[in-house]
Amino acid sequence: NAGVTQTPKFRVLKTGQSMTLLCAQDMNHEYMYWYRQDPGMGLRLIHYSVGEGTTAKGEVPDGYNVSRLKKQNFLLGLESAAPSQTSVYFCASTTGIRVGGPSTEAFFGQGTRLTVV
Amino acid sequence: LAKTTQPISMDSYEGQEVNITCSHNNIATNDYITWYQQFPSQGPRFIIQGYKTKVTNEVASLFIPADRKSSTLSLPRVSLSDTAVYYCLVGEGGGADGLTFGKGTHLIIQP
Repeated sequence: NAGVTQTPKFRVLKTGQSMTLLCAQDMNHEYMYWYRQDPGMGLRLIHYSVGEGTTAKGEVPDGYNVSRLKKQNFLLGLESAAPSQTSVYFCASTTGIRVGGPSTEAFFGQGTRLTVV
Repeated sequence: LAKTTQPISMDSYEGQEVNITCSHNNIATNDYITWYQQFPSQGPRFIIQGYKTKVTNEVASLFIPADRKSSTLSLPRVSLSDTAVYYCLVGEGGGADGLTFGKGTHLIIQP
């Protein structure tokens, strides 16, 4: 049981290049999230998904796109990378149990360190 | 989404009990209070979650007063390895509202 796996772990991009970050979870979780973390800024939500085929914008969605074609995968795309997107990206998933059910916890991947030069 | 306010940083010493308080004045009826811990270069991990009164597990205790406008994470007898950033989250328990993290509290434990 691997939990949440992020690919790649490190990447250096040139300004204007595109790339896709992959998040895969093997816990059959409904909800998945993408965050970025910059020094002193905590975790900021980029996009999230509450089920296969659905996505929603978080706090800082500009410059990113996402897709959830399969329940176990959540992809984060950068169409034209900018230096401001240099950050550590974290993916997370939860069971999505609603109020009245068991408490839930979010499981995080180990992060992807992206540098845009 | 209920906004949370917690101290930016705290210092303590090994063996002490540490209490980190989070304010959430606009908490909604359906909202749960959840705390996460993050070590450098790792993703956050769940510590504890509660709705009201007191919750205790093997790692920490969570105290929630009757009005639920604040909560206190209590770490008993901390060690150097408890140095981390602690996040307080308030929202619908399942995470359907996006699981919004703030800047957290950077707890530094000294020998």
